[in-house]
Amino acid sequence: NAGVTQTPKFQVLKTGQSMTLQCAQDMNHNSMYWYRQDPGMGLRLIYYSASEGTTDKGEVPNGYNVSRLNKREFSLRLESAAPSQTSVYFCASNSGTSVTEQYFGPGTRLTVT
Amino acid sequence: GENVEQHPSTLSVQEGDSAVIKCTYSDSASNYFPWYKQELGKRPQLIIDIRSNVGEKKDQRIAVTLNKTAKHFSLHITETQPEDSAVYFCAAAGGGNKLTFGTGTQLKVEL
Repeated sequence: NAGVTQTPKFQVLKTGQSMTLQCAQDMNHNSMYWYRQDPGMGLRLIYYSASEGTTDKGEVPNGYNVSRLNKREFSLRLESAAPSQTSVYFCASNSGTSVTEQYFGPGTRLTVT
Repeated sequence: GENVEQHPSTLSVQEGDSAVIKCTYSDSASNYFPWYKQELGKRPQLIIDIRSNVGEKKDQRIAVTLNKTAKHFSLHITETQPEDSAVYFCAAAGGGNKLTFGTGTQLKVEL
């Protein structure tokens, strides 16, 4: 099993450009999450999907949209990138049947200039 | 919503000493408390977790304690080794399966 995978690993954008971060899991998990990690601020939840067909805002959703494409895939879209969105983005998943360990992907390092 | 505070932000210990990291949470409904270790440039990985019906849990050199009344929980690492050097995050989760993370502790184990 590959676990949780993310693409791309690195990305540089100019202000105003758009892009989609891809995430997939092969553990048959129901729930998936997107976090951003900034120095000194820990991991902050952007959006999550408790199950296929549902999405909800987390702590810092402004400037982002998500799509739960199917049970395996959960994408994060930046419509008009801003320098404040420079961060490391992690996708995670868990079974969702109860509160359990979240498994993280390797992350995407995004720089917006 | 939930708020998790973590202290200290940096911790330096000598190899073989113990390290303690403390967290407090605000939502009394939270019932799951994991600890993640993140090495430089890597993803966070779970090292131990505890549920609200348990006061203490151990796994070799790592232990976690939970005080529900005071709403705080702690990570204890004994006999520290250089490979324990990393950033450690606590987190809390209640209903809805959402984790709220602390801001992290940079642990450095010196030879």
